[in-house]
Amino acid sequence: DTGVSQDPRHKITKRGQNVTFRCDPISEHNRLYWYRQTLGQGPEFLTYFQNEAQLEKSRLLSDRFSAERPKGSFSTLEIQRTEQGDSAMYLCASSWSLADTQYFGPGTRLTVL
Amino acid sequence: SQQGEEDPQALSIQEGENATMNCSYKTSINNLQWYRQNSGRGLVHLILIRSNEREKHSGRLRVTLDTSKKSSSLLITASRAADTASYFCATDGDDKIIFGKGTRLHILP
Repeated sequence: DTGVSQDPRHKITKRGQNVTFRCDPISEHNRLYWYRQTLGQGPEFLTYFQNEAQLEKSRLLSDRFSAERPKGSFSTLEIQRTEQGDSAMYLCASSWSLADTQYFGPGTRLTVL
Repeated sequence: SQQGEEDPQALSIQEGENATMNCSYKTSINNLQWYRQNSGRGLVHLILIRSNEREKHSGRLRVTLDTSKKSSSLLITASRAADTASYFCATDGDDKIIFGKGTRLHILP
C-alpha cells in the first residue's frame, strides 16, 4: 500500500495527558498537511510542511499543539495537556504541490475524556 | 475560516436519480477539488478542476466551474446506494487548501 497512513487510528486519553500522532505520506510528495475535523464539519486546516519546513500554522493551532516533519518524511502532531475540546478526527494529507491533488490518510480519531 | 460553501447541506434522493451539489467560494482560485467522505472515514479525492477549465467528467461524475460566479457543481448520475456519503469542495487559497462544510447525500433504496 503506497497511500498515506496514520497511526494510531483511534486514541482515547484523559484530559491533561499528552498525545502524539504519526503520519506517513506518499513517499515522493513534498507537501504534508494536517487537518482537524469535528462532527458535521469539513476538515479545518491546522498546518502544512514543504519538505521539512513548516510554512504555515493556523490560529486554531494553540501553543499546546506542535508538529514536526524531520528529514521531510513522516510527520508527528503532538497535543500537550489535552482538553475535551481537542476531541476530533485528525487528518493528514500529502501532495506534490499546492496545485496537485491531496491524498488523505484514514485519520486518527481522538477522544479526550 | 472556510472558503467553500456547499449547497444543499443535506440531500436525499431515490436510487437511480441524479444528484447535484453546488459549491460557492469567495476568492480567486487556481483549482477546485471535490472529495467524498464515508461516515467516520478519510477523504477520497474525486475530481480536480483547474481555473481555466469549465467542465470535467469522471465516470458518473460531472463537475462544472464558473469562475465569474465563483461557483462549482458536482453532478452524480444514476445514483447508487454506495454514493451515500458527505461531499466536500476544496479550494486553494493563501497557499493552502480550504474545505467547505459539505453536503450529506443519502441515497434511498
